[in-house]
Amino acid sequence: AQKVTQTQTSISVMEKTTVTMDCVYETQDSSYFLFWYKQTASGEIVFLIRQDSYKKENATVGHYSLNFQKPKSSIGLIITATQIEDSAVYFCAMREQNTGYQNFYFGKGTSLTVIP
Amino acid sequence: NSKVIQTPRYLVKGQGQKAKMRCIPEKGHPVVFWYQQNKNNEFKFLINFQNQEVLQQIDMTEKRFSAECPSNSPCSLEIQSSEAGDSALYLCASSPHRAPEVFFGKGTRLTVV
Repeated sequence: AQKVTQTQTSISVMEKTTVTMDCVYETQDSSYFLFWYKQTASGEIVFLIRQDSYKKENATVGHYSLNFQKPKSSIGLIITATQIEDSAVYFCAMREQNTGYQNFYFGKGTSLTVIP
Repeated sequence: NSKVIQTPRYLVKGQGQKAKMRCIPEKGHPVVFWYQQNKNNEFKFLINFQNQEVLQQIDMTEKRFSAECPSNSPCSLEIQSSEAGDSALYLCASSPHRAPEVFFGKGTRLTVV
């Protein structure tokens, strides 16, 4: 079963607007970490932001923020004031703490196109 | 910018040939992962190390794939006999001790012709 699901395969937005990308996850662990990564056209994968399951406050880094809804097992990524260079594929990922150095579970990605 | 260094960036091999790629993890990161990303953007975990010891590896890795992370040398992933289905982006990532996130290199794109 898919542990991390991203239902949006692609999104297009106008530059300088706000976009939200959805992600839902499955876990039995009481403690886990959620991440968003960005993969550029060159293939490079960049870590953007992390949410710890025990934290109630939504994480924010620069123009990236998260909408963490724990009861819904949902972790949305919000990008405000989008720029052309935000065009990329965005991956949601989860890591369960109690499994130690376990591999990550990745979603299949959402391709974002920012239109000038 | 990524501090995980992967070489080469591109690798072209014929079927049955060996393919070897290397990774220098970020300094101070004891945990190293190898992933395969296919053309559908799906990540497949291959193997991970803590310092020089294998933590986990999948069955595929045990057959044609081999990997190591010797001390004071780059980590490496080698495919003994490349197959067309091995064409993919191979990603190395490293993680600080007790930190949850991993940091990826720019990948090695393997094409098996």
